[in-house]
Amino acid sequence: GAGVSQSPSNKVTEKGKDVELRCDPISGHTALYWYRQSLGQGLEFLIYFQGNSAPDKSGLPSDRFSAERTGGSVSTLTIQRTQQEDSAVYLCASSLPGGLADTQYFGPGTRLTVL
Amino acid sequence: GDSVTQMEGPVTLSEEAFLTINCTYTATGYPSLFWYVQYPGEGLQLLLKATKADDKGSNKGFEATYRKETTSFHLEKGSVQVSDSAVYFCALSDRNTGNQFYFGTGTSLTVIP
Repeated sequence: GAGVSQSPSNKVTEKGKDVELRCDPISGHTALYWYRQSLGQGLEFLIYFQGNSAPDKSGLPSDRFSAERTGGSVSTLTIQRTQQEDSAVYLCASSLPGGLADTQYFGPGTRLTVL
Repeated sequence: GDSVTQMEGPVTLSEEAFLTINCTYTATGYPSLFWYVQYPGEGLQLLLKATKADDKGSNKGFEATYRKETTSFHLEKGSVQVSDSAVYFCALSDRNTGNQFYFGTGTSLTVIP
């Protein structure tokens, strides 16, 4: 079946503009994660959605970042008033629910460049 | 809190050399442990996993054993190939933290012919 998809694949924006990044998880996956991968850095956790529970927003770096997940499926990560340090690859992943942690499936990422 | 610490790179090896990438973890509960791999120009994909102590995950000639006593999950391969050149990430997921995933910073491996 289809994997995790993200759009756009590349986004170039000017400093101060708002951007929206979209993630379509694998059908039936109730867990959805957003990460940021900066050049030469590891994965930085941003936010985690699990079913209908309140999301874990502990990784969001500032209040300029927000995310929502509509209908338990598609998720949008919004960055307001973008700054140059927001430039990175933003990765989305989804996984099945379950009592045991399950494998995460990653999307191809959105490369954001803030000029 | 939960965390993963892995060996810093970059690592450069000759083809057919033995590979070890160290990974240790801190967790409040009973985590599952993972190695993910990111090949050049591609997205992250699962390489192997282990869900309980003493389990060994294996795939594509890579192995890692879940060692609770040393809180480690070191990645090994007996004979690396050029095609193994990639960035490797150690990760854990802990039921006690709602199955949130924690990733290490990644270790870049380059295998030269």
